Parts: sequence; structure tokens; C-alpha cells
Amino acid sequence: GAVVSQHPSWVICKSGTSVKIECRSLDFQATTMFWYRQFPKQSLMLMATSNEGSKATYEQGVEKDKFLINHASLTLSTLTVTSAHPEDSSFYICSAGRLARPYEQYFGPGTRLTVT
Amino acid sequence: RKEVEQDPGPFNVPEGATVAFNCTYSNSASQSFFWYRQDCRKEPKLLMSVYSSGNEDGRFTAQLNRASQYISLLIRDSKLSDSATYLCVVNRNNFNKFYFGSGTKLNVKP
Repeated sequence: GAVVSQHPSWVICKSGTSVKIECRSLDFQATTMFWYRQFPKQSLMLMATSNEGSKATYEQGVEKDKFLINHASLTLSTLTVTSAHPEDSSFYICSAGRLARPYEQYFGPGTRLTVT
Repeated sequence: RKEVEQDPGPFNVPEGATVAFNCTYSNSASQSFFWYRQDCRKEPKLLMSVYSSGNEDGRFTAQLNRASQYISLLIRDSKLSDSATYLCVVNRNNFNKFYFGSGTKLNVKP
């Protein structure tokens, strides 16, 4: 099956610092990757859609200057949480779809961010 | 109104029981439907796609009712390992937009 990795899986940082999360599709090319955030006992919330070679599309209420997304290649997208605050602490998950089966998403294992 | 709605549960069932979840979607233009399973503090994993004619995969059966705009998931002979949150996902054949339900929690007890 399709494999998506994320790095790091877990990070603790101090308030005001920036954190970069990588999402890679390991065995397929993904022209589109998605970034989600999930707070405890809540469902996934789509933050942005990342298209290779173009600017990301952000969902309403998500600050594009705070959550910087770069999709430099068909297998890599990065999310940078800038000037992180404790309220940014959450579970960040990326997903990617295969060109051959574009309506199925495969999720990365997630990154648990804790901002102190 | 939410794009996708699910009963949050929890559904507490004994091992061996049959349990069914429903999920309703609000937009009749929706075309693709999926059930995902999410374990606590883990990423969602695709359980099965839902086809117009309905589909079965072992103990799991998914059905689509376009007229009433809902999809269902039936789990037969529940196992302890089936305990998880089941997410309903809908896509309008716009690759860039997937809508997630809030999930239905299933607890299978010995």
C-alpha cells in the first residue's frame, strides 16, 4: 500500500520558536498533499491543501503567515509553524493521494507538537 | 449544517456482536465515499471505499444510499481489535476537498 512518512513524530518547543514538519510520500508521487490538525477528542480539521510547485490553499481561519507550507517536489511537503504558541499544541497530520487513485488519501503517522 | 455528520457514540458492544454505523452527508453532489479507522493518538487508516453497489470486505460491509444521502458500515462478529474511531469521509470528486465526519467511537468488550 501507499506509504506516507512524517518527521518528526514528536516535538516539544518553547513559545516563540518555529517548528518544521516534513511529509513524504515514500513509494508514490503525490501532486497534492493535505495538512490537518487534530485536537484531543476532536475530528481532523483541514488546514491547507498543498500543490506541488504552487502556493498552498488555506482553509478559512488558518493563518497562512503562521503556517507556512512548501511543496517543493512530488514527494515532499513541509509545514512550518512559525512563532509557535501553546495554543498551537496539537496533532498535525499530513495526507497524500496517488494519481492513479486520487480520491483515496493516505495519512502520515502524525506529528505531536507541544509548545511550552 | 455540517458536510458530514456521524453519531459520536460510543457504541459499546460485546465480542461477536454485529454493529452498524451511519453517516449522513449534506451535499448531493458528493461522489466518493470512504470509511477510515483511527486508533487513539494514531493517524487515520483507510478501511474501505464505498461504491454505489455496496461492497464487502471480510466482516465489513459498506453501503451507499444516495436517495437519503447516507452511507453505512456494518461490522459482523466484532473483535476486540475493532475498537477504534470510525471516520466517514466524503469527496465531491474535487480532488482538493475531502470532508470528514467527527467519527464514531466503537468499544468492543470481552
